[in-house]
Amino acid sequence: EPEVTQTPSHQVTQMGQEVILRCVPISNHLYFYWYRQILGQKVEFLVSFYNNEISEKSEIFDDQFSVERPDGSNFTLKIRSTKLEDSAMYFCASRGPGRFNTGELFFGEGSRLTVL
Amino acid sequence: RKEVEQDPGPFNVPEGATVAFNCTYSNSASQSFFWYRQDCRKEPKLLMSVYSSGNEDGRFTAQLNRASQYISLLIRDSKLSDSATYLCVVKVAGTALIFGKGTTLSVSS
Repeated sequence: EPEVTQTPSHQVTQMGQEVILRCVPISNHLYFYWYRQILGQKVEFLVSFYNNEISEKSEIFDDQFSVERPDGSNFTLKIRSTKLEDSAMYFCASRGPGRFNTGELFFGEGSRLTVL
Repeated sequence: RKEVEQDPGPFNVPEGATVAFNCTYSNSASQSFFWYRQDCRKEPKLLMSVYSSGNEDGRFTAQLNRASQYISLLIRDSKLSDSATYLCVVKVAGTALIFGKGTTLSVSS
């Protein structure tokens, strides 16, 4: 069964360091997303990406964040200068073509980021 | 005002029980509605979509009341494997999914 894969599964970093989280979406999917979940909190939308550009972003997704699809398969989230409050589980998700309101996002297993 | 509100629980029920979860949403422009399931420290997975007329999938029944901006999920004959957090999710056309914080269910033998 096709799946979304994410690396690393866990990353520990020092405050102020840059972090890149990687995702390989399902191969025929066209819409890509990053969500995050702080421990004990809700799943929060960060950004969506379609046709090689950001289609929507939340207020969380400030100038410290960027996304890229460098090679047609990987989809990356970069945090330029991490803060303690960036510690969370980051989920990548993808959605296939079809009805625009289709809600089934396929999530990866997540990358847990711990900022010290 | 929170966009999607759920009773966090936990709901502790014995096997075989029937349990119902509720959810309210604030954006009247919401057009699509879903229940996702999230196991502890795992990714969310779609449980079922919610249609205006109500819909059923085995032991699970979902209902939508657009006038009250209210969504429900009913689980009949609870199994141990139903223990998880149930996320109410809404979507306005052209935007991303918005998740509630979830309701935790614990089914015991």
